[in-house]
This record gives sequence, C-alpha cells and structure tokens, in this order.
Amino acid sequence: GDSVTQMEGPVTLSEEAFLTINCTYTATGYPSLFWYVQYPGEGLQLLLKATKADDKGSNKGFEATYRKETTSFHLEKGSVQVSDSAVYFCALSRQGAQKLVFGQGTRLTINP
Amino acid sequence: DAGVIQSPRHEVTEMGQEVTLRCKPISGHDYLFWYRQTMMRGLELLIYFNNNVPIDDSGMPEDRFSAKMPNASFSTLKIQPSEPRDSAVYFCASSLGQGRTEAFFGQGTRLTVV
Repeated sequence: GDSVTQMEGPVTLSEEAFLTINCTYTATGYPSLFWYVQYPGEGLQLLLKATKADDKGSNKGFEATYRKETTSFHLEKGSVQVSDSAVYFCALSRQGAQKLVFGQGTRLTINP
Repeated sequence: DAGVIQSPRHEVTEMGQEVTLRCKPISGHDYLFWYRQTMMRGLELLIYFNNNVPIDDSGMPEDRFSAKMPNASFSTLKIQPSEPRDSAVYFCASSLGQGRTEAFFGQGTRLTVV
C-alpha cells in the first residue's frame, strides 16, 4: 500500500543553519505530495505542495521538489529561525483518491 | 472563511462516560476527515465522508466509536463508553475535492479520559 517515510527526529539546529528533512514515498502512479507543519497546541497547516514530477513547492522560505526517479520530496530551508520550531509531516494523496497518507512526523527545534 | 471549527478544544471526562466531539468544515468542501493523534501511534485516519456519506471507516478502532455527518456543515465523533486509552488529540479536516486533495485542519480537541 501507499506509505510515506520521513527521517527520524528529533532534529535540533542553530538559528540560520541549513535545514533538510528527508521524505520518501511508495505509491503507484503519480501521487500529489505535501508538507504540513504543526506548531505546539495547534492543528496541521499546509506548508507547500507539488502535484507532478519536477514541480517545486515553496512557501515561507521552505522548498521541496517532487522527484519521481527517487520517489522523494525532501524539505529544505536555507536559514532557519527559532519560529520554525515545530513538527513537520510529509504526506501524499494517491492519484484519483482524496485521503492523505502521512509520515510519522519530524520534530524540529531551532536554538537561538 | 473561518476555517475548520472544532469544539470543544479540551474535554476531560470520566471513564465510561459518553463523549461527543463536533466539527464544522469549511463551507463548500465535499470531504470531511476525522483523525486521532497520539505520541505512540502518530496521526491516524479514523473515518472520512464525501458529501455527508461515510466512505471509509476502517480506521475506527472499535464499536465504541461512531461518526455522523447529518449535513454538509456539521459532523460529530462519539465515543461511548470512553476509556483512558482514548485520550488523544482528535482532529477534523476538510478538503474541497474536485481534484484538490489538500486538507485543512481544525485546531483539534484534546480529550482526556480519567
């Protein structure tokens, strides 16, 4: 079945460091791919998405590129801030289906 | 739009009591999802609806859990009787459909069963 695997956390970085959170997926066809962010005490918020191969999703300085050949959708940011501390979820929706399949989440902590 | 609205935000109840969680999806969205989040199991899809009709309830843990969607603007998730292991954060989410699959989440209901 469809699945999403994220790099294990927690991840701790210093402010202004470069961030990569790895995400790989297993799915038939051409799924849509998403990154969600969850701040403490809140629900998940859509951060960015990509719906076809080689698309790049971007938002708030975060980027992720849909790589069909490596079935990956890694999240990157060039210079993180303390306010980026949160849990990040990678997710997919299979082509033609509506429900999302989530990875296990990666907790990110940024120290000043 | 105010987004997905859930109530209550927090619920503390005694074991054996009935608990009802409520959700108002974003107007115009055709799909509604109920999720449960715990430290041990992460984010689990419990059930989802399309145009008020339950499509997949395979994630509902047992018969103590039930969900309804009487109209396009309201859904409930009921636990009867509640048990301490039901303690979790329950999220409702909705999505537009029509090829748009990104889901929008409410702020969740933190349920504690003592």
